[in-house]
Parts: sequence; C-alpha cells; structure tokens
Amino acid sequence: AQSVTQLGSHVSVSEGALVLLRCNYSSSVPPYLFWYVQYPNQGLQLLLKYTTGATLVKGINGFEAEFKKSETSFHLTKPSAHMSDAAEYFCAVGGGSNYKLTFGKGTLLTVNP
Amino acid sequence: EPEVTQTPSHQVTQMGQEVILRCVPISNHLYFYWYRQILGQKVEFLVSFYNNEISEKSEIFDDQFSVERPDGSNFTLKIRSTKLEDSAMYFCASSETPTSTVYFGPGTRLTVL
Repeated sequence: AQSVTQLGSHVSVSEGALVLLRCNYSSSVPPYLFWYVQYPNQGLQLLLKYTTGATLVKGINGFEAEFKKSETSFHLTKPSAHMSDAAEYFCAVGGGSNYKLTFGKGTLLTVNP
Repeated sequence: EPEVTQTPSHQVTQMGQEVILRCVPISNHLYFYWYRQILGQKVEFLVSFYNNEISEKSEIFDDQFSVERPDGSNFTLKIRSTKLEDSAMYFCASSETPTSTVYFGPGTRLTVL
C-alpha cells in the first residue's frame, strides 16, 4: 500500500521568497515520486518526477525536489517565488507492480506581491 | 507537444441517467487511466486499462462504472446510473509504460442534479 501526506493545505509566500512544499510518503516498494501542478480550471501538469538515480530532481519553472529515503520525504522547493506560481500542488507516489498513482490532498500556494 | 484531450469539459445530468465521458489519449501511449477529484478533495485513482482490459481498479470503480476503448483513439468512461456523489472532476490520463510519466487531460466536470 502507498500513501502521501502533504503538510499544509495552504502555503502563502511573498514574491521572491523561497517556496517549500512538504511531501512525505509511505510505500512498501521502491517509490516513484511526482509533483503535479494544477492551475485554476485546468488539468494536472507534471512538474518533476523521481524514479531512480539522482535524488535531486529538477523540473520545470525552476522547481526542484529531493528524494530522501531515510526521511521518506520528497519536498518541493523553488528559490524565488513568482506570481505565476500560484496554483495547487499535488505530490503523488507510484511504483511496484500496480498501475496507479496515489495523490496527496494538495497544497494551495498563494504568492503575495 | 502531444496532449490528452477530454470531452465535454462540463456535463450536467440528472440523477439516475447514464453519462459517457470521452478521452483521446496520447497516440503512442498504451496505458490509460481515469481519476476523479471531488471538489476540495484529493485526486483518486479509478481504473487503469491496458491491452483492452482493466489492469487495476479501485473500490470506487463499482458495477456502475465501465471503460472502453471503442476504436484506436478514444477511451471512454461510462457511469450507468449517476448518483449525486458522482459529481466530481474526472481526469483521463495516459502513459507509455506503467512507470513512465502519466499525462493528464484537462478534465470533465460532471455535475449530477
């Protein structure tokens, strides 16, 4: 079984500030980890993913995430927030022989001018 | 860039009616999925489909739900007798392999009255 916990349903930052969105996972098999972003009234867009190899993963729009197995975490960061980053962010876990992704509840990021 | 498309974008139906949600996955993808997101809740896996059969389904995917690939391009989700609690955003998704990136469509918002 797999599960995802996203700490903080709502994160608010100032433009130019560091963005940190937290994700912890549980998985009985080696996990594949994903961050998706959802802009209002749109679908889910992949930001980045970790499958194997390098634990620091770089994605689109300046986001990156680090897989830390010992902490079962996959936190999403961006050094400097932009107004256009305002959206909902979902962490998801997959892996093993199943075909599904298990999502967290999402974190709504607001960016203040 | 190839993308998953879904029609309609919004469907309103009466309780007890049948609805069919349509999706066109990315053309070289072999694995297809439906997920749903009830307003304010997490994205939930419904079903995965490969080689013209269901690979995996969740407990949500009961006898009221069915999926079909009626031709070489479309992938459909049918709800036979809709309930109020079926109101949600339904996302179609596809991937090349079970472990590769899952691409999501923009969603169909289903409203059951």
